[in-house]
Amino acid sequence: GAVVSQHPSWVICKSGTSVKIECRSLDFQATTMFWYRQFPKQSLMLMATSNEGSKATYEQGVEKDKFLINHASLTLSTLTVTSAHPEDSSFYICSASSSRGAGELFFGEGSRLTVL
Amino acid sequence: QQQVKQSPQSLIVQKGGIPIINCAYENTAFDYFPWYQQFPGKGPALLIAIRPDVSEKKEGRFTISFNKSAKQFSLHIMDSQPGDSATYFCAASRPDYKLSFGAGTTVTVRA
Repeated sequence: GAVVSQHPSWVICKSGTSVKIECRSLDFQATTMFWYRQFPKQSLMLMATSNEGSKATYEQGVEKDKFLINHASLTLSTLTVTSAHPEDSSFYICSASSSRGAGELFFGEGSRLTVL
Repeated sequence: QQQVKQSPQSLIVQKGGIPIINCAYENTAFDYFPWYQQFPGKGPALLIAIRPDVSEKKEGRFTISFNKSAKQFSLHIMDSQPGDSATYFCAASRPDYKLSFGAGTTVTVRA
């Protein structure tokens, strides 16, 4: 299957700082990438849809000024958590759509953010 | 609001047993129904998927049954092994690839 890479896989930061998470599609071009957040023992909740070259579309209740998403190329999308607070601690997962596989979405390995 | 309802929350089976996970949806715009397997600390991995024009699909030990009229679908894991112990998520996708996930089922296979 296609490969989606996330970096870093885990990060610890101080409250008030900003953290950037990268999501790359390694062997295919992804015009659309999605960002999810997953709290412990819960399901994945879609945060935003990222389209290459245009502004991200955020789901209801997600602060677009806090979670900055940039999709500068067909293989890279970034999520920046600005002025992070402990309640932002979560597992952030990206996925990318490929035209192969009749609509399959491929997920990254996730990035664990801990805000102290 | 959960667009895809998944049950049970957890289940335990003996090795060789057949865990069955059920999901239901309401939105008829969904046209793609994948199942994901997730191990602790890892991202979800696509296991098997089905489209509404098919009633059953098998891949290895995993089988999806799909009932379009009832808007229900289920995952069966045949001859389950301890290595199958994980959290399983059903999902439903619209044509724009937006996925709605079920709440997840933690499956434990005892040796």
